[in-house]
Amino acid sequence: DSGVTQTPKHLITATGQRVTLRCSPRSGDLSVYWYQQSLDQGLQFLIQYYNGEERAKGNILERFSAQQFPDLHSELNLSSLELGDSALYFCASSVETEPYEQYFGPGTRLTVT
Amino acid sequence: GIQVEQSPPDLILQEGANSTLRCNFSDSVNNLQWFHQNPWGQLINLFYIPSGTKQNGRLSATTVATERYSLLYISSSQTTDSGVYFCAVERFQKLVFGTGTRLLVSP
Repeated sequence: DSGVTQTPKHLITATGQRVTLRCSPRSGDLSVYWYQQSLDQGLQFLIQYYNGEERAKGNILERFSAQQFPDLHSELNLSSLELGDSALYFCASSVETEPYEQYFGPGTRLTVT
Repeated sequence: GIQVEQSPPDLILQEGANSTLRCNFSDSVNNLQWFHQNPWGQLINLFYIPSGTKQNGRLSATTVATERYSLLYISSSQTTDSGVYFCAVERFQKLVFGTGTRLLVSP
């Protein structure tokens, strides 16, 4: 158990809908990262938050957004869902000092039908 | 951007065999991690190894940062070692993943 929790584990929804994925980092970790794992793109970095502020952006679509709350949990919002958004979404967390080892949650498997 | 290549893409072993997985990267990196993705999809941290050699039980890893590669050794493989092994390099605190090595260990 990495100490990172994610809910829900599975999500099935229809095209055009909006969903919210939730992540709680390990105790003491201020940085939260979101990654997407799809069959065609592999594992890709989406976005990083540090102590409530956006720190870095990767290949995140404009239809996707994230935030980190004062209690450090984070949410990833996916809207206007398309079939191609079906993927495994991971959250990871790390401390802010070296080593920046990232620990991953169990993931949320999103299926868009 | 940086390229991370893993080889071999697929590996089939008999239980008890040894194997070496390789990760090449195209530019200097701050750090490198190895992960095992089990059949249930969970990403499990194996090593955080920016340079040098580390060992954890039957697994060990070596990173030669100056030559831009890392190796993961699995000895006396077990069926529970099956899954996909990823290396990921850290650039500006984000991880860039390789395409993985899919390992199947048969009894």
